[in-house]
Amino acid sequence: QKEVEQDPGPLSVPEGAIVSLNCTYSNSAFQYFMWYRQYSRKGPELLMYTYSSGNKEDGRFTAQVDKSSKYISLFIRDSQPSDSATYLCAMIANEGGSNYKLTFGKGTLLTVNP
Amino acid sequence: DGGITQSPKYLFRKEGQNVTLSCEQNLNHDAMYWYRQDPGQGLRLIYYSQIVNDFQKGDIAEGYSVSREKKESFPLTVTSAQKNPTAFYLCASSIYGETDTQYFGPGTRLTVL
Repeated sequence: QKEVEQDPGPLSVPEGAIVSLNCTYSNSAFQYFMWYRQYSRKGPELLMYTYSSGNKEDGRFTAQVDKSSKYISLFIRDSQPSDSATYLCAMIANEGGSNYKLTFGKGTLLTVNP
Repeated sequence: DGGITQSPKYLFRKEGQNVTLSCEQNLNHDAMYWYRQDPGQGLRLIYYSQIVNDFQKGDIAEGYSVSREKKESFPLTVTSAQKNPTAFYLCASSIYGETDTQYFGPGTRLTVL
């Protein structure tokens, strides 16, 4: 079983839809959780960062973490065509041997249609 | 303008040749990283360096080499020993100890002909 599982999609939604992107993980040592957005042929950019269970909001984006279920989500409200990108979840352990390394999901390709 | 630059954007190489990818940052970050991204594979760590003159292998270091002679620079050499080098290569940097907040460059797409 891979440490981080993410459905690669592709996911296609109409403009204005609520989008839900998800990752599951198996390593209980993961303590910090990130979502990156990557436009085609560009480097990823950090979108959201959380470290505790619960929700974190930033504008139209909400990151949700459920450590008991080892499940994280990113919700996008009122989705726009400019949100079309690949979304990568990433996480990091908080233990001496592993805290140098981000572990990434494979990414979900999202298309928002006008 | 602070950031990370990678050059070239596109690179073509013949089989059997070594090639070096450039990564420069002016963010004053101590730590730098190299990742490889393949379709459907996500990002995989090749090498990382937390301070000048020190670097460590990541998960897929075979066929690659790096150097870290200056804080600002972390070049990656793809050697002829790398069996499947065609990929998108991403460089990132972070403040020392803040591995969870990495800033990425625009990437170099390497194609082996």
